[in-house]
Amino acid sequence: DTAVSQTPKYLVTQMGNDKSIKCEQNLGHDTMYWYKQDSKKFLKIMFSYNNKELIINETVPNRFSPKSPDKAHLNLHINSLELGDSAVYFCASSQESTSGSGELFFGEGSRLTVL
Amino acid sequence: KQEVTQIPAALSVPEGENLVLNCSFTDSAIYNLQWFRQDPGKGLTSLLLIQSSQREQTSGRLNASLDKSSGRSTLYIAASQPGDSATYLCAGTTIKAAGNKLTFGGGTRVLVKP
Repeated sequence: DTAVSQTPKYLVTQMGNDKSIKCEQNLGHDTMYWYKQDSKKFLKIMFSYNNKELIINETVPNRFSPKSPDKAHLNLHINSLELGDSAVYFCASSQESTSGSGELFFGEGSRLTVL
Repeated sequence: KQEVTQIPAALSVPEGENLVLNCSFTDSAIYNLQWFRQDPGKGLTSLLLIQSSQREQTSGRLNASLDKSSGRSTLYIAASQPGDSATYLCAGTTIKAAGNKLTFGGGTRVLVKP
């Protein structure tokens, strides 16, 4: 009954490959996010979707393409992986409507290593 | 642009001592401030959320305060235990809008020694 779940948890791949990370939330939230945590542990937002609509795109290279098939899912596809893409990617969700608190709930993270 | 700072970056205390973790932010027009805990190799666990109309929130041994005029939030953990060892992150958002763009501090790594 995990609230925000993401797969895979670990991903090791070669430079130039394309990979995807999937995220699902069962909290009934209307907004989902992708955050990146780099080697220095700083967390930065990448994307935000509200009811399947892209709201935030934080100057992320267009090799990164999020897709939200419905408001419970937000997947991240990365093309032509580079060494600098190695990081932990976190999915999160929140309820942003007038009835929501805006509190963010995070998944366990997906550690991507590009060799 | 909101910037969030947490000092110190690391803190070590003996078991039983009270913990005081500091968070400062540059834009006082803060809408939400949230404290998280992160264990090594794990995701973030939400501890407390303080909305702009509130001054503090409490949950068990945890108490978080928000002072918008000084741009500070403080997380107090009473009677610390070894299980409290983790990295604590604060994050704030300045506007109520779809997207809720949280800006994170760098975190304070806490070690509670038995």
